[in-house]
Amino acid sequence: QVQLQESGPGLVKPSETLSLTCTVSGVSITDYYWSWIRQPAGKGLEWIGRIYITGSTNYNPSLKSRVTMSVDTSKNQFSLKLSSVTAADTAVYYCARDRGYSFDSWGQGTLVTVSS
Amino acid sequence: QSALTQPASVSGSPGQSITISCTGTSSDVGGYNYVSWYQQHPGKAPKLMIYDVSNRPSGVSNRFSGSKSGNTASLTISGLQAEDEADYYCSSYTSSPSRVFGGGTKLTVL
Repeated sequence: QVQLQESGPGLVKPSETLSLTCTVSGVSITDYYWSWIRQPAGKGLEWIGRIYITGSTNYNPSLKSRVTMSVDTSKNQFSLKLSSVTAADTAVYYCARDRGYSFDSWGQGTLVTVSS
Repeated sequence: QSALTQPASVSGSPGQSITISCTGTSSDVGGYNYVSWYQQHPGKAPKLMIYDVSNRPSGVSNRFSGSKSGNTASLTISGLQAEDEADYYCSSYTSSPSRVFGGGTKLTVL
């Protein structure tokens, strides 16, 4: 059974870079696409982007200039970096397995607050 | 890309059926058969309920069904149960390639 767990700082200062890691267990990270999705408090879901083992990425056009994703097969992990953050980036960040056109397994989510 | 349009809230009594709509454009919902639906209980991660418009993942009750007509997709829940009370989100593949979600619908079981 696939399990995903997000980790990273819960507090990031404005203008700095948000960095999160998702550790995958129960399945090899090489077999699927992997996505990041976020949800501001009381609001809807927003897809950030996805990555494949080859390093191929697709990003949300609205965030593309600030997003970088990477994968570490030795640790069965993938990561998200979001630069130049503002208060608008405060949200619960989820990692999820991307089956191509849907997200069938999700991490529990991690709250990231942008504040000085 | 704009979010897909969902009603903010719907409600129904136990045993009844409800339908949640999800309206997009020909660049997303109408252009591809890749609409999915997610159920989210408070404080929990979303759960996939329907994928590729009308397919149910293993373990999801057959009370949940999905369909699409033109630029609008729909999620129908029959035989409403108290445990169905949650937020529901639709999502679609879009050209780019990218993904877009709906704004979410709060389902209340009366």
